[in-house]
Amino acid sequence: QVQLVESGGGVVQPGRSLRLSCAASGFTFSRYGMHWVRQAPGKGLEWVALISYDGSYKYYGDSVRGRFSISRDNSKNTLYLQMSSLRTEDTAVYYCASWDGHNDGYYDQWGQGTLVTVSS
Amino acid sequence: QSVLTQPPSASGTPGQRVTISCSGSSSSVGSNPVNWYQQLPGTAPKLLIYNNNQRPSGVPDRFSGSKSGTSASLAISGLQSEDEADYYCASWDDTLSGPGFGGGTKLTVL
Repeated sequence: QVQLVESGGGVVQPGRSLRLSCAASGFTFSRYGMHWVRQAPGKGLEWVALISYDGSYKYYGDSVRGRFSISRDNSKNTLYLQMSSLRTEDTAVYYCASWDGHNDGYYDQWGQGTLVTVSS
Repeated sequence: QSVLTQPPSASGTPGQRVTISCSGSSSSVGSNPVNWYQQLPGTAPKLLIYNNNQRPSGVPDRFSGSKSGTSASLAISGLQSEDEADYYCASWDDTLSGPGFGGGTKLTVL
């Protein structure tokens, strides 16, 4: 069955870096755009970043542009999020999700999420 | 500040019909389809409605979606206790070059 499994979360000090991973299985990973979406404690969903199926284009939300970098390795069926210059407001559960379509698309599968806590 | 606007809460009794609204702009809902996600407590979101009014397999037909102009709505008929969850609308935003979410609506089954 389709599975997305995030890892790499934890507690990190402000200004430091962290890399999240998302291992995909059960579907043809290389054919799907992939996104990171986050949810701060008790808050709603916020889109973070997206990467096209082949990695040729990437877009970022305003709050993370210039600090976060999304990438993928289709040979390993894995999505990454490199987070730098972390701020306390980046504290959230980070979900990876597969995107079916283009601007007419939707999230058809979600991972279980990994918690990132930015605190001194 | 969310890209799309939803009421923060909604409620109903078992068997009732409830609707949740979602308002966007010409660059989001006005130009692109709306999707709805259900998030049960402590779990990841799950696709509930896609392309304005399509249900993935396994989603009961009690759930329905509609869109008109820059607004959309989710209707739940025959409300059940297990429908108690947070509901999010989402739509691609041409200005963001990415999807925008509503702030979420917490549905309480009284």
